[in-house]
Amino acid sequence: KAGVTQTPRYLIKTRGQQVTLSCSPISGHRSVSWYQQTPGQGLQFLFEYFSETQRNKGNFPGRFSGRQFSNSRSEMNVSTLELGDSALYLCASSWTGSTQTQYFGPGTRLLVL
Amino acid sequence: AQTVTQSQPEMSVQEAETVTLSCTYDTSENNYYLFWYKQPPSRQMILVIRQEAYKQQNATENRFSVNFQKAAKSFSLKISDSQLGDTAMYFCAFMVAIRDDKIIFGKGTRLHILP
Repeated sequence: KAGVTQTPRYLIKTRGQQVTLSCSPISGHRSVSWYQQTPGQGLQFLFEYFSETQRNKGNFPGRFSGRQFSNSRSEMNVSTLELGDSALYLCASSWTGSTQTQYFGPGTRLLVL
Repeated sequence: AQTVTQSQPEMSVQEAETVTLSCTYDTSENNYYLFWYKQPPSRQMILVIRQEAYKQQNATENRFSVNFQKAAKSFSLKISDSQLGDTAMYFCAFMVAIRDDKIIFGKGTRLHILP
């Protein structure tokens, strides 16, 4: 079974631009969570989607948004990029969320110049 | 609010030795899950071991085992017969059962296995 895939793997943007990251979960998994990883703040939860609905959201500004499609693939969007948005963005999937173990993708490394 | 604390930012041990990584957490919940995740230099996060809070028996996975002390809110990871491939960042993580799908991570412990 293929693992969680994320595209693109690397991205360079400039301040003020917007970016869209994509995550394809493990086949059959319906829950997708997003995390931001930085050296200073560590791993922080962004949001979680299940059956195309956002079920949970972390403490991030409204510039960070996401969505999930009927095939469980998910995208996250960051508008008006700031230098501080430079990070590794990790996506994780699980069968139904909650009590299920989350499996992580390789991440998208975003650099904002 | 739940918090996870890993007090050892970095550790080094010789190959074949046993090493223990510490983790403490704070929560008022009674039903939750604890995890240890490993992130090798290639960055793919991998689940090492998982513990359900309602289970008294400590979880084990081959060379990896945990010491779960619920009253003390402590969840340490022991790696026996350490191997070079164990070199990675290790994250202790917490999730409230049923209600949440949000994992709270500690800051991590960078573990170096020396040849």
